[in-house]
Amino acid sequence: EAGVAQSPRYKIIEKRQSVAFWCNPISGHATLYWYQQILGQGPKLLIQFQNNGVVDDSQLPKDRFSAERLKGVDSTLKIQPAKLEDSAVYLCASSFGTTYSNQPQHFGDGTRLSIL
Amino acid sequence: QQQVKQSPQSLIVQKGGISIINCAYENTAFDYFPWYQQFPGKGPALLIAIRPDVSEKKEGRFTISFNKSAKQFSLHIMDSQPGDSATYFCAASKGSARQLTFGSGTQLTVLP
Repeated sequence: EAGVAQSPRYKIIEKRQSVAFWCNPISGHATLYWYQQILGQGPKLLIQFQNNGVVDDSQLPKDRFSAERLKGVDSTLKIQPAKLEDSAVYLCASSFGTTYSNQPQHFGDGTRLSIL
Repeated sequence: QQQVKQSPQSLIVQKGGISIINCAYENTAFDYFPWYQQFPGKGPALLIAIRPDVSEKKEGRFTISFNKSAKQFSLHIMDSQPGDSATYFCAASKGSARQLTFGSGTQLTVLP
């Protein structure tokens, strides 16, 4: 089974520029997550989708971050404009289960974002 | 607010030794406790998980011990190997959405 695919692997931009990340989850996985992992910390959930609907985006800085999941499959996460504190690894994960399910989350290898 | 506290931040163990990583949680609504392993440049991967209705779960060299009254759980890696060198994260989830709250991670180094 193919894993969660993310691109690009690395991105370097200057502050106030915009950037977008792409995620292709495991086929058939209903739930998709975006996490932010700052160096030396655990992943922090930004947004959770179930199919193409948002389950929770309470920790997404909506003034600069946006995300969508078209047709309940691929997803994009955008930052506009970027700030220095956005430097992190952005991880995408997917799981087969929906609500009330403890199906494991499968993570991609992330996009490492550096803000200059 | 950090809801899952993990210690130690780093751990060095000799090959063949036992590695022990501890986590404590505050929210009694958590009802699922997984451990993830992360290698440099890779995403976290599920290692083992436990529900609070059992006190221990073992899979191969990996064991989770769970103390519901103390709101603590720990990961034990028996016969630690250099290939186990990685960062380990405990996590907890609750509610219908099953979102994971991660600890801050433990960087394990197993010396050959």
